[in-house]
Amino acid sequence: NAGVTQTPKFRVLKTGQSMTLLCAQDMNHEYMYWYRQDPGMGLRLIHYSVGEGTTAKGEVPDGYNVSRLKKQNFLLGLESAAPSQTSVYFCASSLAEGGYNEQFFGPGTRLTVL
Amino acid sequence: GQNIDQPTEMTATEGAIVQINCTYQTSGFNGLFWYQQHAGEAPTFLSYNVLDGLEEKGRFSSFLSRSKGYSYLLLKELQMKDSASYLCAALDSNYQLIWGAGTKLIIKP
Repeated sequence: NAGVTQTPKFRVLKTGQSMTLLCAQDMNHEYMYWYRQDPGMGLRLIHYSVGEGTTAKGEVPDGYNVSRLKKQNFLLGLESAAPSQTSVYFCASSLAEGGYNEQFFGPGTRLTVL
Repeated sequence: GQNIDQPTEMTATEGAIVQINCTYQTSGFNGLFWYQQHAGEAPTFLSYNVLDGLEEKGRFSSFLSRSKGYSYLLLKELQMKDSASYLCAALDSNYQLIWGAGTKLIIKP
């Protein structure tokens, strides 16, 4: 099992460009999450999904969109990138909600917006 | 507001014991997680506590006091590979994880 995978691993964008980050999991998990991690701050939830075809906003959703057309995939889109979106993006998944369902993380995507 | 506090950085010696503290304030509480994150890598799950007390897992133990809004992670017999950041995260009433900024643990020989 590959677990949670993310593509690409690195990306440099110019301000105003768009891109899509892909997350895939092979654990048949219902829940999937997109976080960003910035120096000196905790992981912040951007969007999440509780099942195929559903998405919901997290703590910092502005400037991002997501889609979950297939259970195993969760896409994060940046329509018009801004330097403030320079960050490391992590995707995670969990079997269900609740405390005994730890989140499994992908390796991350390091995004720089110039 | 919701808040997680943990020290920014700690230093310890190989073979020693270190305790990393975490205090939390959340809207409701459904348990506390500890994750380990090596530099440039993804966080990986270490422990989950929802009841008061100590949970031991090999060299790592995690403690929770719900009344005090306090947890700690105890690492024994430190090894160089334990050099990493340790992330504390509390599960709030909506089952959302509130993350601390992490404690960078430096192990010296």
